Amino acid sequence: DTEVTQTPKHLVMGMTNKKSLKCEQHMGHRAMYWYKQKAKKPPELMFVYSYEKLSINESVPSRFSPECPNSSLLNLHLHALQPEDSALYLCASSQDLSGDTQYFGPGTRLTVL
Amino acid sequence: GNSVTQMEGPVTLSEEAFLTINCTYTATGYPSLFWYVQYPGEGLQLLLKATKADDKGSNKGFEATYRKETTSFHLEKGSVQVSDSAVYFCALSRGRGSARQLTFGSGTQLTVLP
Repeated sequence: DTEVTQTPKHLVMGMTNKKSLKCEQHMGHRAMYWYKQKAKKPPELMFVYSYEKLSINESVPSRFSPECPNSSLLNLHLHALQPEDSALYLCASSQDLSGDTQYFGPGTRLTVL
Repeated sequence: GNSVTQMEGPVTLSEEAFLTINCTYTATGYPSLFWYVQYPGEGLQLLLKATKADDKGSNKGFEATYRKETTSFHLEKGSVQVSDSAVYFCALSRGRGSARQLTFGSGTQLTVLP
């Protein structure tokens, strides 16, 4: 099973709202990733977690706050977002940081009004 | 640094036509190479991969061969179907410190007409 699940599938929020995106995998992977994808563009890396610790933050604004509560779960907390943050947010996992194959979830389509 | 260059899209083909999407890369050492597919409204799905020179990845009738001498990983399919309409991303995985990260090409939109 190479499934990564993400909820919700769609999310609409105002600029003053606080919301969270969730990602889950049961492949025993120890590295998990958040990507942002704008229309007609490739995914852009935001964060990397390894063994539940933040390993890479690609200079993402603090209005995005990642959390890895356990080895299967990855959250992305959202607060005071801007309309330009509207995008598809993709979660991925790999066996560990040296594992070269990443498996992606279906994504959360976020719209910020 | 690492980079991936894909042929410009969009590509429009008739059903049962032959497909080639070109991909070339720049990287130090020996990266792993991937093709991901993204169907409308969905996330990325791993289509195939190759981890060393002359390896051929294949899946669902698609094939790509890791050519180190030409730094290429072109995607081919002998007979496309309408259901193959999607965006295809070529990517490489190479170490950055202790982490291997994906570098994506810009993506190629494929539309297959019945």
